[in-house]
Amino acid sequence: DVKVTQSSRYLVKRTGEKVFLECVQDMDHENMFWYRQDPGLGLRLIYFSYDVKMKEKGDIPEGYSVSREKKERFSLILESASTNQTSMYLCASRRRDTALEQYFGPGTRLTVT
Amino acid sequence: EDKVVQSPLSLVVHEGDTVTLNCSYEVTNFRSLLWYKQEKKAPTFLFMLTSSGIEKKSGRLSSILDKKELSSILNITATQTGDSAIYLCAVVPPSGGYQKVTFGTGTKLQVIP
Repeated sequence: DVKVTQSSRYLVKRTGEKVFLECVQDMDHENMFWYRQDPGLGLRLIYFSYDVKMKEKGDIPEGYSVSREKKERFSLILESASTNQTSMYLCASRRRDTALEQYFGPGTRLTVT
Repeated sequence: EDKVVQSPLSLVVHEGDTVTLNCSYEVTNFRSLLWYKQEKKAPTFLFMLTSSGIEKKSGRLSSILDKKELSSILNITATQTGDSAIYLCAVVPPSGGYQKVTFGTGTKLQVIP
């Protein structure tokens, strides 16, 4: 059974803190993605990675960075959390160069106070 | 830039009603179109459509792609309260490139008893 896991379901951080969100997939997928989801705005792509150590900016990369040191793991970093980064963060993975679907992790609801 | 537009944005129906959700896209080419259901957690995969005019069906849910009209519909018959969710549509790009999947903003469906 395919699986994408995220390190935390709920997280509360203070403004200015450095925040790490981790995502692990066990399907040997090349592509991994980080989205944030806000009411009325849908899923917005922050960053994606198509291979180890390779990354591309998505639609809203400002204030975020990512790391992919191993194929199965993709981390999202908020260098200095701000209140406008309070959101639901979803990680996903998919096999490259196929028509196949993305698999999502359970999400992390981050609150920055 | 690829764009996926879903309509309506939200919908309230009574149990037993039939609903039709729309997804239109402005992409030059794509490999597949995906439908997801999202309740209070991560999106779960419903259908993958690759060919025009072929209906995919799963119980009370069905979907069809019209490449000529650049659109897809998701039908739900005899709706139940458990169908209440956000329904997301996404297009998967053709081979090559960065493989970024483009999502619509979703349709929020509420089914009331």
